[in-house]
Amino acid sequence: QSVLTQPPSASGTPGQRVTISCSGRSSNIGSNTVNWYQQLPGTAPKLLIYTNNQRPSWVPDRFSGSKSGTSASLAISGLQSEDEADYYCATWDDSLNAWVFGGGTKLTVL
Amino acid sequence: QVQLVESGGGVVQPGGSLRLSCAASGFIFSSYGMHWVRQAPGTGLEWVAFIQYDGTNKYYADSVKGRFTISRDNSKNTVYLQTNSLRAEDTAVYYCAKDRGGNTGFDYWGQGTLVIVSS
Repeated sequence: QSVLTQPPSASGTPGQRVTISCSGRSSNIGSNTVNWYQQLPGTAPKLLIYTNNQRPSWVPDRFSGSKSGTSASLAISGLQSEDEADYYCATWDDSLNAWVFGGGTKLTVL
Repeated sequence: QVQLVESGGGVVQPGGSLRLSCAASGFIFSSYGMHWVRQAPGTGLEWVAFIQYDGTNKYYADSVKGRFTISRDNSKNTVYLQTNSLRAEDTAVYYCAKDRGGNTGFDYWGQGTLVIVSS
């Protein structure tokens, strides 16, 4: 059971916009910024979004993040087949004194 | 370019030990904290341990506290994870990752090293 809750799966068709949610509590998302990671099949994870809504230089602007209260969201617009991957949210938890990950969301491009 | 290369994984019996290494290059290693994150087969990511840039502060997941020890040698640009009293549930790919600082994410990851705990 992960500290952060994500839907196990999501799907969309090419060109569509999809969102993935990440729910936590006051000790983690409620008081810290959220980062998102993309893990393509058979590869190491890659930083996708940091500090709630910032994109590293290598990430296209089709990817965006937001945070409100104890929840965060990742949005992917103009969905492409190469976006098919697992997506994880993560943050620091003040109560656990640990970094915590969501359980991951498997995105399927139909 | 930034590179992180893990090594030291393998097959070990329950109760055994392994020392994982992560050799870093392409950035000023002594200026950044480093993490170990693991992924059991078919499951999600689990953060394992963190060490501050100068080694003064270390944090561990409850699941490994007292069994695993993170350390670093800034003269060798290498971070280590000493894993003791290994259990079947420690079977996973272990990744090292560079910290951006201030909970702004882990911006570079290695390719991982596989640890299998089995008799």
